[in-house]
Amino acid sequence: QKEVEQNSGPLSVPEGAIASLNCTYSDRGSQSFFWYRQYSGKSPELIMFIYSNGDKEDGRFTAQLNKASQYVSLLIRDSQPSDSATYLCAVNHSGGYQKVTFGIGTKLQVIP
Amino acid sequence: DAGVIQSPRHEVTEMGQEVTLRCKPISGHNSLFWYRQTMMRGLELLIYFNNNVPIDDSGMPEDRFSAKMPNASFSTLKIQPSEPRDSAVYFCASSLGLEQYFGPGTRLTVT
Repeated sequence: QKEVEQNSGPLSVPEGAIASLNCTYSDRGSQSFFWYRQYSGKSPELIMFIYSNGDKEDGRFTAQLNKASQYVSLLIRDSQPSDSATYLCAVNHSGGYQKVTFGIGTKLQVIP
Repeated sequence: DAGVIQSPRHEVTEMGQEVTLRCKPISGHNSLFWYRQTMMRGLELLIYFNNNVPIDDSGMPEDRFSAKMPNASFSTLKIQPSEPRDSAVYFCASSLGLEQYFGPGTRLTVT
């Protein structure tokens, strides 16, 4: 079992729709969760982080965390073609200093 | 402010040659990470340093890979000898807390 699992996609959504990206993790003691966006040929950039169960909203982005189910998701409202990228889920290990493990990433395609 | 700086941006070398990748972290950050990214395996942590000290090198593939951080503003990742399977994009990232900031990466091609 991989430590951080994501569906590699591609996930295709029409412009203006809600894109839902999902991630599960195996370390029950994990405390911190991150979403990075990576455009093709570019480096990952942090867009959201969440530490507590529930929802965290930032503009069009909402991160959702359910520690009991070991599940974290990212919702993108009013999806735009510029949101087309690969979204990487990252999880900080319990007791692992600043080390995080990344999922394989989900490729999102927003169709105009 | 300057972000994480990596050099070279592209490197093409022949099998058996030594390759050295360089990284300058963001000033004030106390942790530095080296990652390798491939289509098949995604983003893999190779090694990370905290306050210039290697904390976890369990991701380093084998003895052909070595990394150093002689001071807070510079780190190198060396591959000797290089092999075609080392072809990948190598990222350096730095952080002060848990949020990591990535450099532009070095695309390595070993023929």
